[in-house]
Amino acid sequence: GIQVEQSPPDLILQEGANSTLRCNFSDSVNNLQWFHQNPWGQLINLFYIPSGTKQNGRLSATTVATERYSLLYISSSQTTDSGVYFCAVGGWNQGGKLIFGQGTELSVKP
Amino acid sequence: SQTIHQWPATLVQPVGSPLSLECTVEGTSNPNLYWYRQAAGRGLQLLFYSVGIGQISSEVPQNLSASRPQDRQFILSSKKLLLSDSGFYLCAWSRSYPDTQYFGPGTRLTVL
Repeated sequence: GIQVEQSPPDLILQEGANSTLRCNFSDSVNNLQWFHQNPWGQLINLFYIPSGTKQNGRLSATTVATERYSLLYISSSQTTDSGVYFCAVGGWNQGGKLIFGQGTELSVKP
Repeated sequence: SQTIHQWPATLVQPVGSPLSLECTVEGTSNPNLYWYRQAAGRGLQLLFYSVGIGQISSEVPQNLSASRPQDRQFILSSKKLLLSDSGFYLCAWSRSYPDTQYFGPGTRLTVL
């Protein structure tokens, strides 16, 4: 099956700093999503981005499908950005299955 | 707009007891429905998915089962819980595949 690796596993930032989170995957995909899991466990959908670039406020994401990676950019980080960020991918003929990476735990200090 | 509900929010059950977790989706019809489990240590694992009433696909052999008695209702069950069933159970829906999956608030299950 498809393998998903996220890096770094943990990240500590000072408020206002920028960061880049990476997601590598081992096979071609037709579904890729970035999620933020808040302290209460809720998974919040950030981007649906199997290819290309999208931006939403201080967040943006880029997926280079041919090179099998995706990047999530967080600019001017805030303490509310803290939590775990997950990348999840779905492959062709996978019937809807999303395979999750192990996440990047982000802590933004005031 | 669409919303997804799960209940209960938390549950503490003894080993060997039965389990029933419910997930319902509002504001859409014929959604794809999914059950995931998140064990301690972050990773989420797909347990079951359904593309229609009575159509269930199982991803991981275990003592859990799923049913879809109505279009927008998805139920996760067990006849006898094991300690290893403890975890955070999340239900999700999508309009189709591939498409964005939206997650519910989850049920935190502790088996003692």
